[in-house]
Amino acid sequence: GENVEQHPSTLSVQEGDSAVIKCTYSDSASNYFPWYKQELGKRPQLIIDIRSNVGEKKDQRIAVTLNKTAKHFSLHITETQPEDSAVYFCAAAFSGGGADGLTFGKGTHLIIQP
Amino acid sequence: DVKVTQSSRYLVKRTGEKVFLECVQDMDHENMFWYRQDPGLGLRLIYFSYDVKMKEKGDIPEGYSVSREKKERFSLILESASTNQTSMYLCASPSTTGELFFGEGSRLTVL
Repeated sequence: GENVEQHPSTLSVQEGDSAVIKCTYSDSASNYFPWYKQELGKRPQLIIDIRSNVGEKKDQRIAVTLNKTAKHFSLHITETQPEDSAVYFCAAAFSGGGADGLTFGKGTHLIIQP
Repeated sequence: DVKVTQSSRYLVKRTGEKVFLECVQDMDHENMFWYRQDPGLGLRLIYFSYDVKMKEKGDIPEGYSVSREKKERFSLILESASTNQTSMYLCASPSTTGELFFGEGSRLTVL
């Protein structure tokens, strides 16, 4: 089955700086790569996703890049703000994740220092 | 948006007890999932279902079973709870685009 590795497990950055979280996946058939954000005490929520037919996607301060050849994808957050503090999970799936579910990384605890 | 509701936010059970965790989604979706969340281990898939009375094992099914008698309801069952099943349990259902909508979670403590 699919295996997703996520690094780092904890990331501390100064407010206003950029943060990058990296993931690798094992199954070359995977074609859907979402990122979920989980604030303390809340449920995970999708923040951005990318499908294998594109290499990059941006949404305001958040961007995701995908390298299919190397089987890795990354989340980039620019101009970090206190509300970005949370646990971030990457995931991978085949067929958009609807059929067999998503395989998640172990999560990155992002801490924004004031 | 899909609304996913888990009936119990916090449960405390004793070793050996039978535990039912209930999940309901309101969008008539076929697929439903149960994940377990532990610090440092991320979210791991226990079981999923793609239709009424259908179920498939995920990555960590041992010690669990599920029931899907109605399309909107997916139950996770711990036949004989053990202390290593103390965890946060998250139910989820995907939209047509693949986005997973999670319930608020059920935090289970087994003493």
